[in-house]
Amino acid sequence: DIQMTQSPYSLSASVGDRVTITCRASQDISFYLNWYQHTPGRAPKLLIHTISSLQSGVPSRFSGGQSGTDFTLSISSLQPEDFATYYCQQTYTRPYTFGPGTTLEIK
Amino acid sequence: EVQLLESGGALEQPGGSLRLSCAASGFTFSTYGMTWVRQGPGKGLEWVSIIHSGDGGTHYGDSVKGRFTISRDNSKNTLYLQMNSLGEDDTAVYYCARVSSCYSSAWDTPQWCFDVWGRGTQVTVSS
Repeated sequence: DIQMTQSPYSLSASVGDRVTITCRASQDISFYLNWYQHTPGRAPKLLIHTISSLQSGVPSRFSGGQSGTDFTLSISSLQPEDFATYYCQQTYTRPYTFGPGTTLEIK
Repeated sequence: EVQLLESGGALEQPGGSLRLSCAASGFTFSTYGMTWVRQGPGKGLEWVSIIHSGDGGTHYGDSVKGRFTISRDNSKNTLYLQMNSLGEDDTAVYYCARVSSCYSSAWDTPQWCFDVWGRGTQVTVSS
C-alpha cells in the first residue's frame, strides 16, 4: 500500500496568516493527489484535485503545488472558517490512502 | 442541491452486523461511482470501499475485505454498506462520498476525486 505522510501534525496560526502543509507519498503517485478539509461534525470537503486544481466553489486563497517529491497545500490569508483538519489523499492505486491529517488551530 | 445522507449507524455487539445506507439526491446517481470512508475515534480518514458506475465493479480496503459488502440500487438512488463480523476496530463515523473524474488542464488523464460527501453516520461496536 502507498503510505501518505503529512507535516506538521498540527499548526497554530492567526487569522490573516499564510500557512503551508506538506504531504509526501511513499512511492511515485504522479498527479493523483487530492486535498480535503474536514471540520468536526461536518462533511469533508474536496479543496484541490490533481495536485493544484481548485475545486469549484473553493476560495482562491487555497492553492496546491509540488516541490520535488513533496506536495503542498497553502492558504494565503487564513479566515476563521479555515481552522479545520486537512488531509491529502492519493488515488494512484487502491487502497486510496489518506495522510494522517494536519490540524490547523487558532493561535 | 447535490446531497448525500447516510443512515443506519447504531450500537452493535462484536460479531454482529449492520447495514448502512446513503441516499443521494440532486444528481444522476447511476452515472457516478460511490465510495465509503470512515473515521475512527481520534483517527484520520480511512478509505473503506468503492463501487463503480457501469459495470458496478467493487473494491475493498484490506481491513474490511471479506466482511463488508458495498452495493447500490440505482432505482432508489441509494448506496449500501453491509457490515458483518463487526469488531471494535470498526467503530467509526462512516461517510459516503461521490466519486468523480477530476480533470486538470495540465494532464491528459483524469483521476478519481471524492467531490461530494455526506455528514456521516456513527457506528459503535461494543459489548
